[in-house]
Amino acid sequence: EAGVAQSPRYKIIEKRQSVAFWCNPISGHATLYWYQQILGQGPKLLIQFQNNGVVDDSQLPKDRFSAERLKGVDSTLKIQPAKLEDSAVYLCASSTRRRDSPLHFGNGTRLTVT
Amino acid sequence: TQLLEQSPQFLSIQEGENLTVYCNSSSVFSSLQWYRQEPGEGPVLLVTVVTGGEVKKLKRLTFQFGDARKDSSLHITAAQTGDTGLYLCAAYSGGGADGLTFGKGTHLIIQP
Repeated sequence: EAGVAQSPRYKIIEKRQSVAFWCNPISGHATLYWYQQILGQGPKLLIQFQNNGVVDDSQLPKDRFSAERLKGVDSTLKIQPAKLEDSAVYLCASSTRRRDSPLHFGNGTRLTVT
Repeated sequence: TQLLEQSPQFLSIQEGENLTVYCNSSSVFSSLQWYRQEPGEGPVLLVTVVTGGEVKKLKRLTFQFGDARKDSSLHITAAQTGDTGLYLCAAYSGGGADGLTFGKGTHLIIQP
């Protein structure tokens, strides 16, 4: 099966600019996650979708971050305006959401904010 | 959301040696997952442990889930350079609605 696709692979922007990341999950996976991984740390959940509805966005900085999953398939994560501390790898993952099911991750987008 | 503490944070050993890394929490888990992440890639699932006291083996890797389902360990026998990577433990809370929570990981370097 095709894996989780993410683009772009790398992005460099200046602070206060905006940026968007795209994710296409594994076909048939109802649950989609966006994680932020700062260098040297474990992934931190930003938002979880079940189909096209938000299940958990408690750790999403909503003043600058937004995400959508129209039609319950692919998803976009946006940052506007970016801050230096947003420099990180943004990982998208999907799962079947059966209880205790594993996550399948894309290779991420590495964002550098200068 | 439970906090997962992983130790050690960094470990560098010679090829052929054995090692153990740990994942601890004060919370009880319905299950726990171990992932390995290589540079420039997303984490990849190694194993899921579900039952307290469970031991699972994956070639030279042995995973154990604590009897109380609050902790887990990963033991690697005769480490190889290909084992180098970031080892992450992760768990769902018992409620089921939260996403998977990850520990900060153990950075493992196996030197030839």
